[in-house]
Amino acid sequence: NAGVTQTPKFRVLKTGQSMTLLCAQDMNHEYMYWYRQDPGMGLRLIHYSVGEGTTAKGEVPDGYNVSRLKKQNFLLGLESAAPSQTSVYFCASSLSVGETQYFGPGTRLLVL
Amino acid sequence: GENVEQHPSTLSVQEGDSAVIKCTYSDSASNYFPWYKQELGKRPQLIIDIRSNVGEKKDQRIAVTLNKTAKHFSLHITETQPEDSAVYFCAASTQPLLRFGNEKLTFGTGTRLTIIP
Repeated sequence: NAGVTQTPKFRVLKTGQSMTLLCAQDMNHEYMYWYRQDPGMGLRLIHYSVGEGTTAKGEVPDGYNVSRLKKQNFLLGLESAAPSQTSVYFCASSLSVGETQYFGPGTRLLVL
Repeated sequence: GENVEQHPSTLSVQEGDSAVIKCTYSDSASNYFPWYKQELGKRPQLIIDIRSNVGEKKDQRIAVTLNKTAKHFSLHITETQPEDSAVYFCAASTQPLLRFGNEKLTFGTGTRLTIIP
């Protein structure tokens, strides 16, 4: 039981490049979330999903897209990376909104 | 939408003393209040949570209190130890059936707790 995993762990991008971050969970959770964490800003929700095939915007969705084609996977895409997207990205999953969120180990992204 | 404010942003406490972190929320429909601990370079992990049908919950040295009238909740850590040093986040959410489209947690901005040996 691996819990929540994220790939890659670290990535450097040039401005304008694209990439996809992968989140996978093996707990059969319905809900999945993508957060970004910046110094002094806490955890800000980018997008989330309440089940396979669903996605919804969070607090800071601009510049990101997501897909939930399979229940266990939640992908976060950056179509044209910008330096403002330099951050640590965390994925999380839970059975329901009122239940424990389990976080992945994070992806550190640097956009030059 | 929900707004969660957390204070203080930094807190230094002598080892063995108590630490208190406070949060306020804006949405009176919120009824689930978890606390997460994030050690340096690690992922956030749940340490305790409380639901609106209780006013206090304890787990060994950690306790959380909730005042729904005033819309605030607090984390209390007693007999602090060096391993308590971390960033602590409070959060709030509503049950999905009560507020469709709000199926998410809103986090506070975090408190960096340092335990001084």
